[in-house]
Amino acid sequence: GNSVTQMEGPVTLSEEAFLTINCTYTATGYPSLFWYVQYPGEGLQLLLKATKADDKGSNKGFEATYRKETTSFHLEKGSVQVSDSAVYFCALSEFGGYQKVTFGTGTKLQVIP
Amino acid sequence: DVKVTQSSRYLVKRTGEKVFLECVQDMDHENMFWYRQDPGLGLRLIYFSYDVKMKEKGDIPEGYSVSREKKERFSLILESASTNQTSMYLCASSFSGGDTGELFFGEGSRLTVL
Repeated sequence: GNSVTQMEGPVTLSEEAFLTINCTYTATGYPSLFWYVQYPGEGLQLLLKATKADDKGSNKGFEATYRKETTSFHLEKGSVQVSDSAVYFCALSEFGGYQKVTFGTGTKLQVIP
Repeated sequence: DVKVTQSSRYLVKRTGEKVFLECVQDMDHENMFWYRQDPGLGLRLIYFSYDVKMKEKGDIPEGYSVSREKKERFSLILESASTNQTSMYLCASSFSGGDTGELFFGEGSRLTVL
């Protein structure tokens, strides 16, 4: 079956530091890949997505590139802010799959001033 | 602004009580989902529905049931709550015609079973 593995947290960074959160996946077909973010006290919201190999998703200064050869979709940001403190979930949806999204376990990011 | 609204943000129930968690979406989405979120386990799918009166089991359906009588509303039912059902419950919806992975979430319902 499909699975998503992401680095364990928590990750603590100083403001303006560079962020990488690793994500690798296992899928039988050609999935779409996503990063969702959950701010404290809120539900998840889509941060960015990529639907085919070599696509780069980007939003709010975050980026992730769909790497089929390494089955990875690492999240990066060049300069984090305190407001980026949240839990980040990597996820995949199998192309043609029936409405099922597989999530990673989430990585908590804390940015300190 | 599109919304998925969950009826209760916080609930405290006793073991054996029947619990209803309700979710309403205003986006005319065909698909609706119930997940539970636990530390270290991420999100696990309990049930989903792709149409009115249709339901499918997810990964952890035991101890839960669902109801979808109207397109916009999807209810999660715990027939007899147990302490191991203490968790955060998240409702989500998606559009059938688009990318099936893009989910829209409610703010969550934190349930404590004593």
